[in-house]
Amino acid sequence: AQSVAQPEDQVNVAEGNPLTVKCTYSVSGNPYLFWYVQYPNRGLQFLLKYITGDNLVKGSYGFEAEFNKSQTSFHLKKPSALVSDSALYFCAVRDLNSGNTPLVFGKGTRLSVIA
Amino acid sequence: GAVVSQHPSWVICKSGTSVKIECRSLDFQATTMFWYRQFPKQSLMLMATSNEGSKATYEQGVEKDKFLINHASLTLSTLTVTSAHPEDSSFYICSASKVEHTYEQYFGPGTRLTVT
Repeated sequence: AQSVAQPEDQVNVAEGNPLTVKCTYSVSGNPYLFWYVQYPNRGLQFLLKYITGDNLVKGSYGFEAEFNKSQTSFHLKKPSALVSDSALYFCAVRDLNSGNTPLVFGKGTRLSVIA
Repeated sequence: GAVVSQHPSWVICKSGTSVKIECRSLDFQATTMFWYRQFPKQSLMLMATSNEGSKATYEQGVEKDKFLINHASLTLSTLTVTSAHPEDSSFYICSASKVEHTYEQYFGPGTRLTVT
């Protein structure tokens, strides 16, 4: 079975400081990993994904994530946080070998960037 | 592109009435569409998976007679909440997978349902 853990319910960071939102996953095969952001009363916006290749993935709005197979992690990072980055962030995974099964989401991490 | 739309974006209805939510893939054909439900400040919970032309597969604990899903074409799936009650108030999000890339999911903007 697939699962995702986002250990932090809330992350607070000062504007201009680097931010990290943590995610670890569990799949039986090879993972297909995503990060999404959600603003209040809005749907999910795609940030980035990892399927294969370079472990460091660059995405939208200056975000990046590093795939670490040994630690089964896919932490989201940004070198310099903006107040506008304040939102709810979801990590999601699916097993590449599981056919057309849906993504499994973490519980979400609320990021608050303080001016 | 891979755009998914939902209609309506928000709806208020009275208890006992039924509400239909549409999910459309605007610029691609979707073999599979997924319906999620999200409670305030919580994650997305998968409700059901629908494949075009066949019956939807519901997740455990989801009442199939209450949440009717129809996937009539490769670009349209509908979710009907029948005999709605206040506890059905939630944010409903659909996603769709392309025919040629079944591992990718594209999400709609969501529908806010409030049952009074």
